[in-house]
Amino acid sequence: GAGVSQSPSNKVTEKGKDVELRCDPISGHTALYWYRQSLGQGLEFLIYFQGNSAPDKSGLPSDRFSAERTGGSVSTLTIQRTQQEDSAVYLCASSLVPVNVRKGVGELFFGEGSRLTVL
Amino acid sequence: ILNVEQSPQSLHVQEGDSTNFTCSFPSSNFYALHWYRWETAKSPEALFVMTLNGDEKKKGRISATLNTKEGYSYLYIKGSQPEDSATYLCASPQGTGNQFYFGTGTSLTVIP
Repeated sequence: GAGVSQSPSNKVTEKGKDVELRCDPISGHTALYWYRQSLGQGLEFLIYFQGNSAPDKSGLPSDRFSAERTGGSVSTLTIQRTQQEDSAVYLCASSLVPVNVRKGVGELFFGEGSRLTVL
Repeated sequence: ILNVEQSPQSLHVQEGDSTNFTCSFPSSNFYALHWYRWETAKSPEALFVMTLNGDEKKKGRISATLNTKEGYSYLYIKGSQPEDSATYLCASPQGTGNQFYFGTGTSLTVIP
């Protein structure tokens, strides 16, 4: 399809295990964002990729979280030694231009999310 | 972190009523203000991207205004319908513009 694709859609894991979440953005979109929504909370910014520039990791909650984006396209969010508080829906979004381009559209297109449950 | 804030947190209206929500954001170093609609079991979808002070945008029964000097935006829904039930999110780039922060949203329920 032409939209943002995320996998897996659901993941149940045991505390202490590592998980990988994948995001395949819309072709040609240079900007990619990861967010998470914990139960009862809003969308929490995690990390931002723009082209080949160094990512903005300022939203990652701990050093157990990391992300990469290969070839400016697919991104993987990795959570090491998962904890119960990591349980959330992880959303990926891409945009044609960065949101801080004043004259640009920059709207985000979201995937359907990966629901992570840590037992 | 400079906050993007929304009010009210939730809202219940009767079908046919008009309603509005507020988004406040830091007015310094403004880039853009986005509105999204997030329906249950779906992905958030963009409604409006607003960049100019005084901007007013409309899509069907939904419209939005923007005041970048005082840092607020209003979203209006005229003649609410049950299909308008969703969480409405606003977001604005912060800091260097890379951190794109969302408000906690306004959950709208339209009662038939």
